[in-house]
Amino acid sequence: GDSVTQMEGPVTLSEEAFLTINCTYTATGYPSLFWYVQYPGEGLQLLLKATKADDKGSNKGFEATYRKETTSFHLEKGSVQVSDSAVYFCALIFNAGGTSYGKLTFGQGTILTVHP
Amino acid sequence: NAGVMQNPRHLVRRRGQEARLRCSPVKGHSHVYWYRQLPEEGLKFMVYLQKENIIDESGMPKERFSAEFPKEGPSILRIQQVVRGDSAAYFCASSPRTGGNTEAFFGQGTRLTVV
Repeated sequence: GDSVTQMEGPVTLSEEAFLTINCTYTATGYPSLFWYVQYPGEGLQLLLKATKADDKGSNKGFEATYRKETTSFHLEKGSVQVSDSAVYFCALIFNAGGTSYGKLTFGQGTILTVHP
Repeated sequence: NAGVMQNPRHLVRRRGQEARLRCSPVKGHSHVYWYRQLPEEGLKFMVYLQKENIIDESGMPKERFSAEFPKEGPSILRIQQVVRGDSAAYFCASSPRTGGNTEAFFGQGTRLTVV
């Protein structure tokens, strides 16, 4: 079945450091790919998404590119801030010939802590 | 615009009691999903409902768990005879339609603790 694997955390960085959180997936067909962020005590918020190969999703300085050849969707940010401290989830929706629905398959999450 | 509203935010139940978790989707959204987040794990899909219909319950435990989304009112996730292993955060999400391009909006979750 479909699955998502994220790099294990936690990740601890200093402010203004470069961030990469790796995400790879296993799926038949062509899934849509997402990054969600969960701040302490909150629900999940969509951070960015990409729906086809070579698409780049971006938001709030974060970027991720849909790489079909490596089945990856790594999250990057050039300069992190303390306010970026949160849990980041990579996820996919499997598209099955137009009959799919919005059921998300999540990775295990990566805890990011940014120190001043 | 109100987002997805879940209540209660925190729920404590003794073993053997029933837990009822409520989810009011974004106004106009007719698709609801429930996910469970066990401690230090990612979210796992439980069930997908449209108004008055269960579309996919492949992630629901076969016993003690049930879900509904009536024509009027919130979606309810019901857990009967709770056990310690049911302690988790339960998240509801809603969307206006189906498909891989559709964003799901999440509630803040209900954190269930079974003592």
